Amino acid sequence: GQNIDQPTEMTATEGAIVQINCTYQTSGFNGLFWYQQHAGEAPTFLSYNVLDGLEEKGRFSSFLSRSKGYSYLLLKELQMKDSASYLCAVLDSNYQLIWGAGTKLIIKP
Amino acid sequence: IAGITQAPTSQILAAGRRMTLRCTQDMRHNAMYWYRQDLGLGLRLIHYSNTAGTTGKGEVPDGYSVSRANTDDFPLTLASAVPSQTSVYFCASSEGSGGSGRGDTQYFGPGTRLTVL
Repeated sequence: GQNIDQPTEMTATEGAIVQINCTYQTSGFNGLFWYQQHAGEAPTFLSYNVLDGLEEKGRFSSFLSRSKGYSYLLLKELQMKDSASYLCAVLDSNYQLIWGAGTKLIIKP
Repeated sequence: IAGITQAPTSQILAAGRRMTLRCTQDMRHNAMYWYRQDLGLGLRLIHYSNTAGTTGKGEVPDGYSVSRANTDDFPLTLASAVPSQTSVYFCASSEGSGGSGRGDTQYFGPGTRLTVL
């Protein structure tokens, strides 16, 4: 079966750095997406990785290793507004998105 | 407007009733999707449409039907609602429908919170 694993919940301090990991086992791979979802709102797109390596976009970076079936989302200079769930999703061989259950990130002052 | 709209925002429905959730996008995206999101579970695909006039079944299609008469609209119908269909429903769209790389990025509507009693 297809599976995406993320930690259920993480806590970090305002101003710090946090890394959210995602491991996947899917039938094929055509890209990995990270989304942010605030409570009661829709998911919003953060990043897309299809090649190995690090993609940086402001305070957020996303890393991919296809050989290890592994990605992480790195958030720097954490702000209170970063409190949200972060969803990892993989585009499989049929070009359907397989979603992880999400990681709830709690930021403390 | 630019983006995806969904209606209604929320609804309480008696079991056995028929209900249509509406979704409209104005981005001229080819592909559209319906997901349900339940606490502790990832987003689960109900139905999708890669282009106007075509639809396909996702992971959890039973009890739901869709149509795609034009590019912009993608309604989801519950023929006879049951309590297990209580969920938050998200409609999404993407420019591509596979093989488009970043063009396969999905953009979401605000969601419909449905309660079936």
